[in-house]
Amino acid sequence: AQKVTQAQTEISVVEKEDVTLDCVYETRDTTYYLFWYKQPPSGELVFLIRRNSFDEQNEISGRYSWNFQKSTSSFNFTITASQVVDSAVYFCALSEFLTGTASKLTFGTGTRLQVTL
Amino acid sequence: GAVVSQHPSRVICKSGTSVKIECRSLDFQATTMFWYRQFPKQSLMLMATSNEGSKATYEQGVEKDKFLINHASLTLSTLTVTSAHPEDSSFYICSARLAGVNEQYFGPGTRLTVT
Repeated sequence: AQKVTQAQTEISVVEKEDVTLDCVYETRDTTYYLFWYKQPPSGELVFLIRRNSFDEQNEISGRYSWNFQKSTSSFNFTITASQVVDSAVYFCALSEFLTGTASKLTFGTGTRLQVTL
Repeated sequence: GAVVSQHPSRVICKSGTSVKIECRSLDFQATTMFWYRQFPKQSLMLMATSNEGSKATYEQGVEKDKFLINHASLTLSTLTVTSAHPEDSSFYICSARLAGVNEQYFGPGTRLTVT
């Protein structure tokens, strides 16, 4: 069975601070996908990143960066110089790596990030 | 990019009535759609996987007779909450998967309140 753990329920930071959101996963599959989504107060899920299991290169996109460590089954997300608009719930998710067929997403419990002035 | 819509965005209904929620892929054909439920301050829980032209596959613990799913076309799936009760009040989110691509595109969600 697949499982995603986001141990941090809520994080509060002051604007311009860096913040890292942790994600640890469990799966028996040798290949899989990992995702991060942002859910602002409006409720709509915003896709941030998808990473397949055989690509362990870290990725940076603007103020966002992701650290994938297969050895520790972690896929952590760092926001640099946080802004108030980053306030949201962030979900880490895992899916099987299946081509041509649907694969289910298993979500973590989410981390609520509050960025204050 | 791929856009998924849901209608209605909010609905309030009385206990015992049925409510239908629509999920549409606007600019692509979705062979598979997923329905999730999210209670306040909780994660998204997959309810069912819906494939066009076939019966939905429900997750363990989800009553298929209560949550009717119809995926009649490649762009539309509907979720009907039958005989709704206050405990069914939740945020329902659908997603659609583009054929051959392992990525889900999420709708904006429907907030259901049963009084």
